[in-house]
Amino acid sequence: DSGVTQTPKHLITATGQRVTLRCSPRSGDLSVYWYQQSLDQGLQFLIQYYNGEERAKGNILERFSAQQFPDLHSELNLSSLELGDSALYFCASSVSGTSGSEQFFGPGTRLTVL
Amino acid sequence: AQSVTQLDSQVPVFEEAPVELRCNYSSSVSVYLFWYVQYPNQGLQLLLKYLSGSTLVKGINGFEAEFNKSQTSFHLRKPSVHISDTAEYFCAVTWDTGRRALTFGSGTRLQVQP
Repeated sequence: DSGVTQTPKHLITATGQRVTLRCSPRSGDLSVYWYQQSLDQGLQFLIQYYNGEERAKGNILERFSAQQFPDLHSELNLSSLELGDSALYFCASSVSGTSGSEQFFGPGTRLTVL
Repeated sequence: AQSVTQLDSQVPVFEEAPVELRCNYSSSVSVYLFWYVQYPNQGLQLLLKYLSGSTLVKGINGFEAEFNKSQTSFHLRKPSVHISDTAEYFCAVTWDTGRRALTFGSGTRLQVQP
């Protein structure tokens, strides 16, 4: 158990819909990262937050957005869903958010878009 | 662009045999190197990391890796594998310049056969 929690574990929805994925980092970790894992794209970095502020952006679509709240939990919002958005979405957290800081991964949310 | 290459998508090996999973990255300037393991239907777990110092790094479950700056490689090794080592292994890198999130290789599926 990494100490990072993600809800829900599974999500099935239809094209065009909007969903919210939630992540609670390990106690004491200030930085949260979101990654997408799909069969064709592999593991890709989406976005990073540090203590409530956006720190870095990766291959995140404009239809996707995220935020980190004052209690440090984070939400990833996916809208106008397409079939290709079906993937495993991971949240990770680290203490400082610097390059060498170890990232602890949650169990992931499996999103299926029908 | 900075990239990570895992040359082998699948590595079949017999139980108790040695194994090496290969990883190469695009630039050796101020890198931090990680190996993660993903068991079926689970999140990512850190096996080992190289931040600085000794180029031979020991991790959990008997795994080790060697940082080779001239070859820009960070190959993962285990002298004797077990059935329970069957999993997907990901090499990941962060660089001190630019984005601080992990850049992952495409993964290597280690299949240990009895």
